[in-house]
Parts: sequence; structure tokens; C-alpha cells
Amino acid sequence: AQSVAQPEDQVNVAEGNPLTVKCTYSVSGNPYLFWYVQYPNRGLQFLLKYITGDNLVKGSYGFEAEFNKSQTSFHLKKPSALVSDSALYFCAVRDYKLSFGAGTTVTVRA
Amino acid sequence: DAGVIQSPRHEVTEMGQEVTLRCKPISGHNSLFWYRQTMMRGLELLIYFNNNVPIDDSGMPEDRFSAKMPNASFSTLKIQPSEPRDSAVYFCASRTGVLLQETQYFGPGTRLLVL
Repeated sequence: AQSVAQPEDQVNVAEGNPLTVKCTYSVSGNPYLFWYVQYPNRGLQFLLKYITGDNLVKGSYGFEAEFNKSQTSFHLKKPSALVSDSALYFCAVRDYKLSFGAGTTVTVRA
Repeated sequence: DAGVIQSPRHEVTEMGQEVTLRCKPISGHNSLFWYRQTMMRGLELLIYFNNNVPIDDSGMPEDRFSAKMPNASFSTLKIQPSEPRDSAVYFCASRTGVLLQETQYFGPGTRLLVL
């Protein structure tokens, strides 16, 4: 079965510092990987996805993710975090449905 | 496009009552998903429709839960009778089809509280 794991429940960073949210995956075959963000009392918003091609994927709001096949990872990154990036982030892997990780709460302090 | 539309946004009901949640997918999307989100269990897929047909309902907790999709632009999730442990946020999501690279889009959710 396809699955993803988010090893960190929480990530805390200072505004302006780099932000990394970790995700590892387990799939048979080619992985189709997604990142979503959930702001308080809101639905999940799509950030970016990896299908094939470049290992560095660029997405919304200045986020990017690096696909690493040898480490089976798909970490989400932002070079300079903003307070408004504080939210719950989900990694997901796709077969016929999306299977989500447990989520990582990101807090960016001013 | 208005995105995925869900109603109501909030629902408070008493144990034993029937609850009906509604979803309008994005126009042109023929796959629809119902999810439930709780602190304890995270995001769980309840049921998946493709072209209005239920494909996978293995996530539906028990017979108290039922879902229908009578046409391409409307789906309901019904809980009868409701119980306090059903309190959660219920999300509807849609996407265009079955290709693996297609993006799934979520509605704002219905926050259900069963007293």
C-alpha cells in the first residue's frame, strides 16, 4: 500500500528563516506526491505536486519541494518563512485516492 | 469557478438526529471524495465516487453512514442516527478524473458537533 510519513508533529521557526517540513514516502512504482496546507477553520489548499521530471517542484506562496528518490523523501521548503505561513501542512501520495500523512503544524514567530 | 461548495458550514445537533451534509463539486470534475478529519484519526477517506458511482466505500464507519451522488453536480453524506463520536469536520473534494497526476480540490468543510 502507498503511504507517507511526516516525522515531525510541529515545526517552529522565526520569520525570515528557512522553513522545511519533512515527508517520506513508501510506494510501489512511480510516486505521485502532493503537498496541501490547511489554515485554521479552512479546507485543504493545494500547494504543489510531483509527477515526474525535475526533482525541484515549485508551488504556490513561494513554496517548493525537493523529490529525492534515493531517500524516498519529498520535503517542503520555503527560503524565508512568513508569520502567515503558520498552518497545518499535509503530505499525500496518490494511487487511485490520496493517502495523507498525519500533518505537521508549522508556527512562524515574528 | 467557485470551487467545491459544501453546506452547511456548521451543524450542531443532538444525538439520535439525522444529519445531512451536502456537496457540489467543481463543474467538470467527475471524481468526488468525502473525508472526515478529527484530532485523533487525522484525515480519513470515507467514500469515493467516480462518474456518480461509488467506487470505494471501505472507509464508511458503519451502517449509520450513507452517501449518494444522484448526479454529477451534487452529493450527500447522511448520518442516521448521529452519535457524539461523529463530531468532526467533514470535507468534500473533487478532481477531474482518474489520472494519477490530477489535482484534488477540497471544499471548506462542514464542522459537525453532535451533543
